[in-house]
Amino acid sequence: DSGVTQTPKHLITATGQRVTLRCSPRSGDLSVYWYQQSLDQGLQFLIQYYNGEERAKGNILERFSAQQFPDLHSELNLSSLELGDSALYFCASSRDSLIGEQFFGPGTRLTVL
Amino acid sequence: KNEVEQSPQNLTAQEGEFITINCSYSVGISALHWLQQHPGGGIVSLFMLSSGKKKHGRLIATINIQEKHSSLHITASHPRDSAVYICAVRTSGNQFYFGTGTSLTVIP
Repeated sequence: DSGVTQTPKHLITATGQRVTLRCSPRSGDLSVYWYQQSLDQGLQFLIQYYNGEERAKGNILERFSAQQFPDLHSELNLSSLELGDSALYFCASSRDSLIGEQFFGPGTRLTVL
Repeated sequence: KNEVEQSPQNLTAQEGEFITINCSYSVGISALHWLQQHPGGGIVSLFMLSSGKKKHGRLIATINIQEKHSSLHITASHPRDSAVYICAVRTSGNQFYFGTGTSLTVIP
């Protein structure tokens, strides 16, 4: 158990819908990272937050947004869902913003029908 | 061209064998990570390297910054080592790139 929690574990929804994925980092970790893992594209970095501020942005679509709250939990919002958004979404946390080892959550499996 | 290339893509070994997985990258990095992903999907960070060599139990990771190359070695492999091993780099510009993974199967 990494200490990072993600909810929900599974999510099934329809095209065009909007969903919110939630991540709670390990106690004391200030950075949260979001990743997408799909069968055809592998793992991709979406976005990083550090202590409430956006720190780095990867291949995150405009339909997706994220935020980190004062209690350091983070949410990833996915809207206007398409079939291709079906994937595993991982959250990871680290102590600092640049060089810390990352601890991964168990992931949320999103299926868009 | 991918920023991170791993080889081999698939690897089958007999229990007890010494295993090497290679990772080459083409970007400037601040750190390189080796990750392990089990069939259930969970990801564990094995190593984070910015130079030299690190060892945890039977696992050894090395990095050569000049050659932009890293290796993950598993000594005395065991069936429980069967997993996908993923190389990831964090660039100087704070981006992350992942290799496509090496699927390892260790046969008893």
